[in-house]
Amino acid sequence: QKEVEQDPGPLSVPEGAIVSLNCTYSNSAFQYFMWYRQYSRKGPELLMYTYSSGNKEDGRFTAQVDKSSKYISLFIRDSQPSDSATYLCAMGVAGGTSYGKLTFGQGTILTVHP
Amino acid sequence: DTAVSQTPKYLVTQMGNDKSIKCEQNLGHDTMYWYKQDSKKFLKIMFSYNNKELIINETVPNRFSPKSPDKAHLNLHINSLELGDSAVYFCASSQERNSPLHFGNGTRLTVT
Repeated sequence: QKEVEQDPGPLSVPEGAIVSLNCTYSNSAFQYFMWYRQYSRKGPELLMYTYSSGNKEDGRFTAQVDKSSKYISLFIRDSQPSDSATYLCAMGVAGGTSYGKLTFGQGTILTVHP
Repeated sequence: DTAVSQTPKYLVTQMGNDKSIKCEQNLGHDTMYWYKQDSKKFLKIMFSYNNKELIINETVPNRFSPKSPDKAHLNLHINSLELGDSAVYFCASSQERNSPLHFGNGTRLTVT
């Protein structure tokens, strides 16, 4: 079993839709969580970073973390064609020999069509 | 003004050759990384350096050797290239080890 499982998609939605992207994880030592967006032939860019359970909002993006269920989500409101990309969840531990090592999900390809 | 820059952007080479990829960051970060992204977009850490010291060394063939001449630079040398080494290699940096990563745009390596 992989440490981080991400719904692979692909996901295709109409413009204006609410998008939900999800990851589950098995390692209870994960303490911080990130979402990255990756456009074709580019490096991943950070969207959201959070340490705690609960919701964190930034513009049209909301990151949700449920440590008890080992589940994280990213919601995109009013999705735009420019949101079309691969979305990667990532998580890490804050100490020990794996400190600094981010474990990524396999990515969800999202297409928002006009 | 690029924060994390890698060269070359594309690398096409034959099996058995030796090649290097260079990375530089101008963010003043203390930690740098090499990640490998396979054809299915799965990103996996290879190495991490903190202030020129190797701190993470994943299970990577010893044909791969990183080198950090200073904390702004992290290079990756690959000996005796194999077909399975074909992938996109990303350099990244972070302020601290649990800080968000800033990625370069990748080096697309194709081994024929």
